[in-house]
Amino acid sequence: NAGVTQTPKFRVLKTGQSMTLLCAQDMNHEYMYWYRQDPGMGLRLIHYSVGEGTTAKGEVPDGYNVSRLKKQNFLLGLESAAPSQTSVYFCASSYNSPGTQYFGPGTRLLVL
Amino acid sequence: AQKVTQAQTEISVVEKEDVTLDCVYETRDTTYYLFWYKQPPSGELVFLIRRNSFDEQNEISGRYSWNFQKSTSSFNFTITASQVVDSAVYFCALSGFNAGGTSYGKLTFGQGTILTVHP
Repeated sequence: NAGVTQTPKFRVLKTGQSMTLLCAQDMNHEYMYWYRQDPGMGLRLIHYSVGEGTTAKGEVPDGYNVSRLKKQNFLLGLESAAPSQTSVYFCASSYNSPGTQYFGPGTRLLVL
Repeated sequence: AQKVTQAQTEISVVEKEDVTLDCVYETRDTTYYLFWYKQPPSGELVFLIRRNSFDEQNEISGRYSWNFQKSTSSFNFTITASQVVDSAVYFCALSGFNAGGTSYGKLTFGQGTILTVHP
């Protein structure tokens, strides 16, 4: 089992560019989450999904969109990247709620 | 609103010392879950423990132990006889149920405590 994987591991963007981060899990989990980690602020929830075809806003959703077309995948999109979105992004999944969340390895994003 | 506070930003100890990481939380939910995660220098987040609000028994797992006190809204984590491999950032997190009794499992994290264990 690969668990939770994230693609890419690292990316540099210019302000205004767009990109999609991919999260995949092979544990048949219903719930999936996107967090961002910034120094001194812990992890903050961006968006989450309680099942295939569903998405909802978390604590810091502005500037991001998500989609969950397949149960195993949760995509995070940045339509027009800004320097404030420089961060480390973590995806997580859990079987039930509130279940233990298992995290991917993270994606480091730098927006210039 | 939920809040988790880890007042210790950084802790530095020498190997074999015991160390306690503090976690204080705020929630209006009567049912909730508390978690601890470890983030080693490699960057991944490793699950350590989950505890529900109805279970106030302390837990011990090897050199790790957790003290949950509902009366003081605290869920502290102690490492006994620390080792260099314990050096990491440790996060406390909280997940509760909303007024409708639904939980979507959203985690509220503390700011993290950086633990450095020197040889």
